[in-house]
Amino acid sequence: DAGVIQSPRHEVTEMGQEVTLRCKPISGHDYLFWYRQTMMRGLELLIYFNNNVPIDDSGMPEDRFSAKMPNASFSTLKIQPSEPRDSAVYFCASSLTSRRETQYFGPGTRLLVL
Amino acid sequence: ELKVEQNPLFLSMQEGKNYTIYCNYSTTSDRLYWYRQDPGKSLESLFVLLSNGAVKQEGRLMASLDTKARLSTLHITAAVHDLSATYFCAVVTDKLIFGTGTRLQVFP
Repeated sequence: DAGVIQSPRHEVTEMGQEVTLRCKPISGHDYLFWYRQTMMRGLELLIYFNNNVPIDDSGMPEDRFSAKMPNASFSTLKIQPSEPRDSAVYFCASSLTSRRETQYFGPGTRLLVL
Repeated sequence: ELKVEQNPLFLSMQEGKNYTIYCNYSTTSDRLYWYRQDPGKSLESLFVLLSNGAVKQEGRLMASLDTKARLSTLHITAAVHDLSATYFCAVVTDKLIFGTGTRLQVFP
């Protein structure tokens, strides 16, 4: 299996622009998670899905952030409009049948908002 | 609010030495993970500890869990340079809460 796939790997954009991050979970995994990692706040869970349904989005920082999972093999995290404080590494992870099981992380997207 | 604290935050150690990283958490949990992250890379699962008294070992790393004390340890034996990375513990409640991370640097 190819593991969790994320794209793009790097993104540089200007403040105010829309940013879309993409994730393909491991095939057969029922759970998908979006995390953000910064030096100041560490690793934060933003949102997670079970069988394509958003379960807990309490970690989404504000309305500028939105996430979708239209099917079992694809999810997006969108930031509109982006701000410099959104600069971070965004990870997608997936787990097989439970949010309590081992989560397998993708390579991350490094986002820089100028 | 669940807090997961690791100490030390930074650890610089000489090859061949032993050391322990501590992970304390503030609420009841029966499952804890240890992850490794190399600089600029993703997170890799090392261990899952499923019950009180659980001990897992792989190579020079050994992890243990004391659910009553709400404490997990990651012990490093005879450190080598390849172990240089950041190590995270993560506690399971209704979701996975990560600790602050311990950045380990092993030098000759």
